[in-house]
Amino acid sequence: RKEVEQDPGPFNVPEGATVAFNCTYSNSASQSFFWYRQDCRKEPKLLMSVYSSGNEDGRFTAQLNRASQYISLLIRDSKLSDSATYLCVVNTMDTGRRALTFGSGTRLQVQP
Amino acid sequence: DVKVTQSSRYLVKRTGEKVFLECVQDMDHENMFWYRQDPGLGLRLIYFSYDVKMKEKGDIPEGYSVSREKKERFSLILESASTNQTSMYLCASSLAPGLTEAFFGQGTRLTVV
Repeated sequence: RKEVEQDPGPFNVPEGATVAFNCTYSNSASQSFFWYRQDCRKEPKLLMSVYSSGNEDGRFTAQLNRASQYISLLIRDSKLSDSATYLCVVNTMDTGRRALTFGSGTRLQVQP
Repeated sequence: DVKVTQSSRYLVKRTGEKVFLECVQDMDHENMFWYRQDPGLGLRLIYFSYDVKMKEKGDIPEGYSVSREKKERFSLILESASTNQTSMYLCASSLAPGLTEAFFGQGTRLTVV
């Protein structure tokens, strides 16, 4: 079982739509959670951290459910420029490993 | 503006060659990482380093080694390149992994023929 699992998509949505991605993680000791965005042929960049209480940044809302071990990302009022791959990222320190574990990404295509 | 720079965007090497991928960061970060990215598999950690001359194996270290002689530079070495090492290689650095943002280089697309 992969440590971080995501639906690869693609999610094809019209402009203005609301779209949600989920991600599950297998290690209950995971401590930090993030969403990164990767444009085609570009490097990943941090979109937002995910806090236990949930957090919002403009049109983007991230939530964490520790009991069920999943993270979600909600995008409201989708823009063409939101088209990208969204990577779920988890950090687990119990193994002493100071590195991030990435999901394989969910591709979003926003259409006019 | 923070920066992680990888020495090449595209490389083509022959099977059996020794290959060096270089990465330099200008943020004075202690932690540096090498990932490879393949379709359907996402980013997989090869090696990381949390200090000069320190290195730790990631999930897929076989066939690779690394060098961290200076804080700003982290090199990935393919001792004897094979076709299954054809991939996108991404270097990253972070002040505090899991707490602060990881910054990535632009990637090196390596093709082994």
